[in-house]
Amino acid sequence: GAGVSQTPSNKVTEKGKYVELRCDPISGHTALYWYRQSLGQGPEFLIYFQGTGAADDSGLPNDRFFAVRPEGSVSTLKIQRTERGDSAVYLCASSPRVSSYNEQFFGPGTRLTVL
Amino acid sequence: DAKTTQPNSMESNEEEPVHLPCNHSTISGTDYIHWYRQLPSQGPEYVIHGLTSNVNNRMASLAIAEDRKSSTLILHRATLRDAAVYYCILRGAGNMLTFGGGTRLMVKP
Repeated sequence: GAGVSQTPSNKVTEKGKYVELRCDPISGHTALYWYRQSLGQGPEFLIYFQGTGAADDSGLPNDRFFAVRPEGSVSTLKIQRTERGDSAVYLCASSPRVSSYNEQFFGPGTRLTVL
Repeated sequence: DAKTTQPNSMESNEEEPVHLPCNHSTISGTDYIHWYRQLPSQGPEYVIHGLTSNVNNRMASLAIAEDRKSSTLILHRATLRDAAVYYCILRGAGNMLTFGGGTRLMVKP
């Protein structure tokens, strides 16, 4: 079946602009996670959703970052007033449910470059 | 989540077994041990997980020490396609994955 998809695959923007990154999870998965990965490092947790609600947003670096999942399926990560330090690969993952043993299925990521 | 320690890199010959170690001396009783791998230019991919007993699946085996303070991911016959960064992760009450630096596995033909 279809895996997790993310669009766009690449996004180049200028400092100060607003960007939206989209994640389509596997159908029926209630848990959705966002991570970001800087060059040469492991992914870093940002936020996760259980259904429509953000269950844990403790990884969001500041209030320029926001994510929504209004219908419990597709999620959008929104970054306001982008900075060069926001450049990274943004990864989305989904899981059938929230648990400490269910595997997470990752998408290919969106590479964000802020000039 | 508790911290894990892995070697930065390892090298293997194709078609030979590979043992990837992970130390997690501060593991708690309810932490699951997860392994993910990340191939170049792809998102991470689940490999295997376990709690106390050794585990096998089609991709790999996971050997867990009796005191649970260390574990080893075993690839029985490495192929060139197994070249990736392998992450050992402890997953407890928090549902997110906390990635460390991982081990970069290089496979020589």
